[in-house]
Amino acid sequence: QVQLVQSGAEVKKPGASVKVSCKASGYTFTGYYMHWVRQAPGQGLEWMGWINPNSGGTNYAQKFQGRVTMTRDTSISTAYMELSRLRSDDTAVYYCARDLSATVVTPPRCFFDYWGQGTLVTVSS
Amino acid sequence: EIVLTQSPATLSLSPGERATLSCRASQSVSSYLAWYQQKPGQAPRLLIYDASNRATGIPARFSGSGSGTDFTLTISSLEPEDFAVYYCQQRSNWPSTFGQGTRLEIK
Repeated sequence: QVQLVQSGAEVKKPGASVKVSCKASGYTFTGYYMHWVRQAPGQGLEWMGWINPNSGGTNYAQKFQGRVTMTRDTSISTAYMELSRLRSDDTAVYYCARDLSATVVTPPRCFFDYWGQGTLVTVSS
Repeated sequence: EIVLTQSPATLSLSPGERATLSCRASQSVSSYLAWYQQKPGQAPRLLIYDASNRATGIPARFSGSGSGTDFTLTISSLEPEDFAVYYCQQRSNWPSTFGQGTRLEIK
């Protein structure tokens, strides 16, 4: 069965960076785009970007460009999302989510059929 | 970016009743719209994609309709486990965006 298991909660100070991992199992990791979506406490969902695990290619929402880096390690079927220059409004649960489409040859579908359990990142001085 | 407006913000119904949730886009998204269900402390769950296609394992009581700017998620007969927050999402224009959610609560 498909599983996405994320790393544990983090507490960071403003200005620091955080790196969240997402380990995939139950499917071919390099066959599906991986997205990152975040949710501030009590708020809605916000798409951050995607990575093509096969090529390493990325696409970031403009809001996060310059601060976010998405990478992957295919040897351990793990995707990473690093967010730098953290601010208090970056406090949120960060989710990885698999793209619905079983191909990385065409652009992603950008609908998400499997999600990680979420990683709470708290930014506080 | 495209703004999705969901209504109502909160919907109070009883088990067995029919639920109708609305999502309106600020410009046409064709049929590139999905619906998700989220329960407290859990990740969202994909219900509907491409406006009307049920995702794998989703019960037939969930249905989606609409195209362009107006979309509806219908739950034909509410089960106790259906009370949750529902989000719509568009992928027609970059960046993909979500609505602010509709909370479906037990009356």
